[in-house]
Amino acid sequence: QKEVEQNSGPLSVPEGAIASLNCTYSDRGSQSFFWYRQYSGKSPELIMSIYSNGDKEDGRFTAQLNKASQYVSLLIRDSQPSDSATYLCAVNSYQGGSEKLVFGKGTKLTVNP
Amino acid sequence: DTEVTQTPKHLVMGMTNKKSLKCEQHMGHRAMYWYKQKAKKPPELMFVYSYEKLSINESVPSRFSPECPNSSLLNLHLHALQPEDSALYLCASRGTLNSPLHFGNGTRLTVT
Repeated sequence: QKEVEQNSGPLSVPEGAIASLNCTYSDRGSQSFFWYRQYSGKSPELIMSIYSNGDKEDGRFTAQLNKASQYVSLLIRDSQPSDSATYLCAVNSYQGGSEKLVFGKGTKLTVNP
Repeated sequence: DTEVTQTPKHLVMGMTNKKSLKCEQHMGHRAMYWYKQKAKKPPELMFVYSYEKLSINESVPSRFSPECPNSSLLNLHLHALQPEDSALYLCASRGTLNSPLHFGNGTRLTVT
């Protein structure tokens, strides 16, 4: 069974700090990697997609991918209380002849004012 | 605003009821998904439709019955559910392999 592992958290950072969220995956054939943000009681919201090794920046968010190490991370700069949410890492994987997204268990982030 | 619309937002049903969850997308996506999410857990895949055909059924009990009437619509028919089926039910669509899932706002289901 292909797996995606995330820091269990919770992760607590002060307002204005950098929050670092990490994710490892087991399927070396994975090609697409996503970070979703989920507020309590709400549905997951896509915040970053990354497909190639290296960094991808979008505003205060930076996704980093290292396929050799099977590692993907999300950095949130200048963290705001509104960033407090659970962050889900999702990785595509081929299992039993089907392609599907495998989700990690999520890391709960709290940004303290 | 989400481009995947789910109705109803909330649903309370008894164990003998029959109800349906509905999902609609107009992004031209040809793959549509049903997920179940319990509190403090990640989304759990239930069904995948690709080009209106059921392509993945994750061994879901038969009291859940999916239907894809056309490329824009996805239904989940519910019958004789159990209290442990209470959860957030998420519909999602996807354009191509390797593209992200776009989730609807979900239906909060409570089985009494």
